[in-house]
Amino acid sequence: GESVGLHLPTLSVQEGDNSIINCAYSNSASDYFIWYKQESGKGPQFIIDIRSNMDKRQGQRVTVLLNKTVKHLSLQIAATQPGDSAVYFCAENQAGTALIFGKGTTLSVSS
Amino acid sequence: DTAVSQTPKYLVTQMGNDKSIKCEQNLGHDTMYWYKQDSKKFLKIMFSYNNKELIINETVPNRFSPKSPDKAHLNLHINSLELGDSAVYFCASSQGRGAFFGQGTRLTVV
Repeated sequence: GESVGLHLPTLSVQEGDNSIINCAYSNSASDYFIWYKQESGKGPQFIIDIRSNMDKRQGQRVTVLLNKTVKHLSLQIAATQPGDSAVYFCAENQAGTALIFGKGTTLSVSS
Repeated sequence: DTAVSQTPKYLVTQMGNDKSIKCEQNLGHDTMYWYKQDSKKFLKIMFSYNNKELIINETVPNRFSPKSPDKAHLNLHINSLELGDSAVYFCASSQGRGAFFGQGTRLTVV
């Protein structure tokens, strides 16, 4: 069977590699999910979102996958660049509630 | 033309003092929030206001009092500051499900 992806606090990759950041969310009633990127000294910045009626959504170089069965969310970054180095957060909510954030993953990209 | 702006960016103060952080959004959003980010980068919701009315108040000491004079502004006043209040405080706004964040205010209580 499928397993919930482990949350890793840090992820180190080489420039050009693909990165996968995992998140396990807590509330089965959540129907909206976002990935944020936070660079040092800045606020979280929207990357991509997905609603619970979808299981995959693609953006520019990023893809979000949603597995509601095991309450797992992942962010895939293609051809990772040094500028992608940051802390990445997943967040969830349902209508009328504030976003609840998961633990962040620090992505370090070396060239 | 920053979408969500907070002032000040840095705030260093002594224990026991009272301080305020201001937030303004020019996005026309109805909902604004305050989040606290601790030293381990964990982001936690503190308050949420919709059209100047408080709709979410998480378990936050009553030394923290948000004030929304209009829907574009949500200020955070903190009384009797304690060492444990040291953190980065983020204001955010939304119109719908996602949220836009300010650059944060790093509060250091000494």
